[in-house]
Amino acid sequence: RKEVEQDPGPFNVPEGATVAFNCTYSNSASQSFFWYRQDCRKEPKLLMSVYSSGNEDGRFTAQLNRASQYISLLIRDSKLSDSATYLCVVSFPYNFNKFYFGSGTKLNVKP
Amino acid sequence: EPEVTQTPSHQVTQMGQEVILRCVPISNHLYFYWYRQILGQKVEFLVSFYNNEISEKSEIFDDQFSVERPDGSNFTLKIRSTKLEDSAMYFCASNSGQGESPLHFGNGTRLTVT
Repeated sequence: RKEVEQDPGPFNVPEGATVAFNCTYSNSASQSFFWYRQDCRKEPKLLMSVYSSGNEDGRFTAQLNRASQYISLLIRDSKLSDSATYLCVVSFPYNFNKFYFGSGTKLNVKP
Repeated sequence: EPEVTQTPSHQVTQMGQEVILRCVPISNHLYFYWYRQILGQKVEFLVSFYNNEISEKSEIFDDQFSVERPDGSNFTLKIRSTKLEDSAMYFCASNSGQGESPLHFGNGTRLTVT
């Protein structure tokens, strides 16, 4: 079983739409959670960390559900520039600082 | 804001040649990583490095790969005898090691093996 699983998509949505991605993780000892954004042929860039209480950054909201072992990313009022691949990353900072990556969810925002 | 820097941005080499990919992690970070991404595929872990030694490596990181921190700032990945299937983006990343801090990535080196 993979450590981190994501729906690869693509999610094709019109501008202005709200879209949500989920990511499941297999190890309940996972301690830290992140969403990264990756544009084609570019490096992953940190979008936001995911905290137990949930957190929001502008149009982006991230939530963590430890009981069901998933994290989510909600994007409101999608922009064309949101088109990218969104990577879910979980880490074990107190166990050799390991990071596990999902395969990414591709988002296409269309005019 | 401090950045991870990688050089070169693009490297073309012939099969069987050795390549060295260079990275300068963020200066106060303690953990260093190499990842690769074959075009259209997922980001794959190669190796992590802490306290001047490898802390973990994946199955991909076989005997043809090695890493080194030759001085206080550089972190290098050497591929001894490149194969066609080594063609990929190689990303260096670093982490402060403080609690639940994220990975910071360099902008990658695109390796093309012909």
